[in-house]
Amino acid sequence: GAGVSQSPSNKVTEKGKDVELRCDPISGHTALYWYRQSLGQGLEFLIYFQGNSAPDKSGLPSDRFSAERTGGSVSTLTIQRTQQEDSAVYLCASSVQGKQETQYFGPGTRLLVL
Amino acid sequence: GENVEQHPSTLSVQEGDSAVIKCTYSDSASNYFPWYKQELGKGPQLIIDIRSNVGEKKDQRIAVTLNKTAKHFSLHITETQPEDSAVYFCAASIGTGNQFYFGTGTSLTVIP
Repeated sequence: GAGVSQSPSNKVTEKGKDVELRCDPISGHTALYWYRQSLGQGLEFLIYFQGNSAPDKSGLPSDRFSAERTGGSVSTLTIQRTQQEDSAVYLCASSVQGKQETQYFGPGTRLLVL
Repeated sequence: GENVEQHPSTLSVQEGDSAVIKCTYSDSASNYFPWYKQELGKGPQLIIDIRSNVGEKKDQRIAVTLNKTAKHFSLHITETQPEDSAVYFCAASIGTGNQFYFGTGTSLTVIP
């Protein structure tokens, strides 16, 4: 079946603009994660959604970052007033029920803030 | 919180040789340790994982060992092939939390 998809694959924006990144998880997966991957760095946890529970937002680096998950499926990560340090690859992953189950990653969105 | 360190950051081996990547973690409550392979332009893909109730797990040419006392775990790839060239990430997870803590990655190059 289809894997995790993300759009756009690449995004170039100007400093100060808002951007929205989209993630379509695997159908039936109740858990969804967002990560940020900066050049030469590991994956930095941003936010976790599990079913209808309140999301775990403990990894969001600032109040410019927010995410929603509508209908328990598609998720959107929004970055307001983008800064150059926001440039990174943003990865989305889903798993069947979360916790310590296998995460399936999308290909990522490469964000460049000029 | 948990801190995962990964070494080396780059590794080159001749085809057919073995490759070993090592990670250490700080939180003794971590009990799940997956390894991911990331090829250029793609998202990470799980290749093997180990839970803290076992010391070693093997899957064909790939094996992972865990030393809970020393808080370190390692990935071993035997008979390396050019298609093994990729970036490898280790991670640690605490069962009561939602987060996975990732190492900084090892770029493995297998020279034909």
